[in-house]
Amino acid sequence: AQSVTQLDSQVPVFEEAPVELRCNYSSSVSVYLFWYVQYPNQGLQLLLKYLSGSTLVKGINGFEAEFNKSQTSFHLRKPSVHISDTAEYFCAVSLDTGFQKLVFGTGTRLLVSP
Amino acid sequence: DVKVTQSSRYLVKRTGEKVFLECVQDMDHENMFWYRQDPGLGLRLIYFSYDVKMKEKGDIPEGYSVSREKKERFSLILESASTNQTSMYLCASSSQTPMGVDTQYFGPGTRLTVL
Repeated sequence: AQSVTQLDSQVPVFEEAPVELRCNYSSSVSVYLFWYVQYPNQGLQLLLKYLSGSTLVKGINGFEAEFNKSQTSFHLRKPSVHISDTAEYFCAVSLDTGFQKLVFGTGTRLLVSP
Repeated sequence: DVKVTQSSRYLVKRTGEKVFLECVQDMDHENMFWYRQDPGLGLRLIYFSYDVKMKEKGDIPEGYSVSREKKERFSLILESASTNQTSMYLCASSSQTPMGVDTQYFGPGTRLTVL
């Protein structure tokens, strides 16, 4: 069975600093990869996704992620964060089986301070 | 704009009560999902449905059932609520595509407390 690991439960960072949120997955078959963001008291919103093609994926709000098949990673990056980026971020994987079940990581809380 | 709505944002029930959580989507999506979200555990899939009257168990179906009588509506039922079902419940929907995977759109969640 596949799994998703987000090693950092919380990442504190100062405003305008760069940030990387790490995500590793385990699967023996092809996967599709997603990053979702959850702002306080809201549902999840898609940031970006990798289905095929270029391994560098750009998403909303200046975020990007790179799919690295050899390292089974899909790390999320932003060169300069804002206070408004404070939220919880979830990495998720879906198998290439025709179903749309997503397996989520445990989440990383990004805390941006002035 | 896509929209997934859930019947309640906050709900308080007593142990043993039957609880219904309703989810409605207006995007004509074939697939609908119920997750529960707990601190430190992320989101875990309870049930999903890929068509009207069809349902599949997710990773943690015990203590729950679902109903999908209409395409736009997916209900989660707690037959006899227990305190360990206190959680945030999130509904999502997605369309079926040739690739077999598409973005899931989430509702705002229902925070259920069972006393």
